[in-house]
Amino acid sequence: DVKVTQSSRYLVKRTGEKVFLECVQDMDHENMFWYRQDPGLGLRLIYFSYDVKMKEKGDIPEGYSVSREKKERFSLILESASTNQTSMYLCASSLGGLYNEQFFGPGTRLTVL
Amino acid sequence: DAKTTQPTSMDCAEGRAANLPCNHSTISGNEYVYWYRQIHSQGPQYIIHGLKNNETNEMASLIITEDRKSSTLILPHATLRDTAVYYCIVRVPYGGSQGNLIFGKGTKLSVKP
Repeated sequence: DVKVTQSSRYLVKRTGEKVFLECVQDMDHENMFWYRQDPGLGLRLIYFSYDVKMKEKGDIPEGYSVSREKKERFSLILESASTNQTSMYLCASSLGGLYNEQFFGPGTRLTVL
Repeated sequence: DAKTTQPTSMDCAEGRAANLPCNHSTISGNEYVYWYRQIHSQGPQYIIHGLKNNETNEMASLIITEDRKSSTLILPHATLRDTAVYYCIVRVPYGGSQGNLIFGKGTKLSVKP
């Protein structure tokens, strides 16, 4: 089975802190994605990557950056956390090519105080 | 914006079939219909996808109308563990930003004993 793991299930940070969210997949997937999920807004795509060292902005990239130095790992970085970044963060991965169903991790619930 | 319309919520009795509708009247010829679900406190899970023919797998069946403007996801014998939010998504079956998943609000299915 595909496994997508995220470094933390729950995280509490203070405003202005630099925050790293790590995601690792074990199925050699080319594609990786970061979403945030908020009540009433559903899932929104922050960034995605189709290859190592490659990244593209999603719908809401402001305030975030990403890093993909290795194929299996995709990191989401909040350079200076703010309270409006309190959310559930979900990582996903998929194979390249057609019909690339996405496999999601369990999520990280981040609270910024 | 999501290109699909789903009811906000539905109830189903345990052991009965759950039929979840989805309207996608603006679907284009090369777009597939995908279904995902999200159980509380977990990441979304892929269920099934199809183009124009009906599809079945171990989890569910997907019925797409002949004009492809709507579809129905069928869980043949719903259990309490099927209580979740179900997302209907239309997307092109290839990589790149055009193929990204766009999640709408989904349907909250409650399976009751």
